[in-house]
Amino acid sequence: AQTVTQSQPEMSVQEAETVTLSCTYDTSESDYYLFWYKQPPSRQMILVIRQEAYKQQNATENRFSVNFQKAAKSFSLKISDSQLGDAAMYFCAYNRGFGQNFVFGPGTRLSVLP
Amino acid sequence: DGGITQSPKYLFRKEGQNVTLSCEQNLNHDAMYWYRQDPGQGLRLIYYSQIVNDFQKGDIAEGYSVSREKKESFPLTVTSAQKNPTAFYLCASSTGQGLYTEAFFGQGTRLTVV
Repeated sequence: AQTVTQSQPEMSVQEAETVTLSCTYDTSESDYYLFWYKQPPSRQMILVIRQEAYKQQNATENRFSVNFQKAAKSFSLKISDSQLGDAAMYFCAYNRGFGQNFVFGPGTRLSVLP
Repeated sequence: DGGITQSPKYLFRKEGQNVTLSCEQNLNHDAMYWYRQDPGQGLRLIYYSQIVNDFQKGDIAEGYSVSREKKESFPLTVTSAQKNPTAFYLCASSTGQGLYTEAFFGQGTRLTVV
């Protein structure tokens, strides 16, 4: 069974600084998708960034980027120039595609300090 | 606007009662999902459906039931057999087509047993 692990239950970062959230996963598949979702206090789940496993180039979306290490099954999220609005729960997720279910990690609560 | 609508936002249930949570999407997505989220925890899969009239149990299906009679709708019934139903419930959908897909989420239903 696929599992997703986030080893940092809570993290904090100073406004305008950079923070990295860790995620590891376990799978025997060769192709799959990885996602980072943000859940602010409103509890609405928002997609932050996604990565396809066969693409070696790390995905980037504005201030958000990932470090994808397929052999190590690691998928960390880097947030640059942190803003107060980045404070939220962040969930790493895995999907095998073709309508298969999404497997979520336990989440990391990020606080941004002014 | 396309999206996923969950209702009600808040729901109170007396012990021993069944309640049904509504989830409707107008994104023309094939796949739909129900997740449960407990305080400070990640999302656990209850049921998912890849096509109309078909659905599969997730990791915590006991005490829950679903139906998928229409592509747009995927209601979740929390039965009296569910011993600890108080939680936040999230419905999601995805295209189910190809690997480059993401889950779109509703705003959730907060269920409380009184």
